[in-house]
Amino acid sequence: AQSVTQLDSHVSVSEGTPVLLRCNYSSSYSPSLFWYVQHPNKGLQLLLKYTSAATLVKGINGFEAEFKKSETSFHLTKPSAHMSDAAEYFCVVSTYSSASKIIFGSGTRLSIRP
Amino acid sequence: NAGVTQTPKFRVLKTGQSMTLLCAQDMNHEYMYWYRQDPGMGLRLIHYSVGEGTTAKGEVPDGYNVSRLKKQNFLLGLESAAPSQTSVYFCASTHSDYEQYFGPGTRLTVT
Repeated sequence: AQSVTQLDSHVSVSEGTPVLLRCNYSSSYSPSLFWYVQHPNKGLQLLLKYTSAATLVKGINGFEAEFKKSETSFHLTKPSAHMSDAAEYFCVVSTYSSASKIIFGSGTRLSIRP
Repeated sequence: NAGVTQTPKFRVLKTGQSMTLLCAQDMNHEYMYWYRQDPGMGLRLIHYSVGEGTTAKGEVPDGYNVSRLKKQNFLLGLESAAPSQTSVYFCASTHSDYEQYFGPGTRLTVT
């Protein structure tokens, strides 16, 4: 069975400080992992993905995530937050075993303080 | 290259009315999906399709029907709308690596 847990429903940081959005997953197979971002009243956009290559994945807008199998985690980080990073972030796990096995986390809302 | 488009963007229905949401993609993707998004619940899969002429149920299929008569289009139907179906609906399509491309969403209100 697959599941994904985003450990924080809301994260607030000051502009220029680091961002950490936490995601833990559970999967019976080797998973693919994704982070998507959703700005207000918009669709979802892919930030980055892990598909069994390098464990440190770099994405758009300065975000990166590290796949840690021993901890079953895929946390999203950014060294310095920008006001435009304020959005909802979703961690997603999927496997190749079935097209329906794409599981979304419940989301983390990131707020940026000036 | 428009990507994934959804029609309409907004709709208000009365309880018991029916409607169809249209999703179209121009990337020649095999897989297409319909999700609903509700506050605090992420996205939940309603129905999906792995190719033209095929459909399958997702996590929350009750009250919805779908059809994939053409590869580029995936229709979501509500036969008798209920207030519980008030939500934002997203369509997505993907290659086999499951990186999904999303449409802009349809905001549906059922009164």
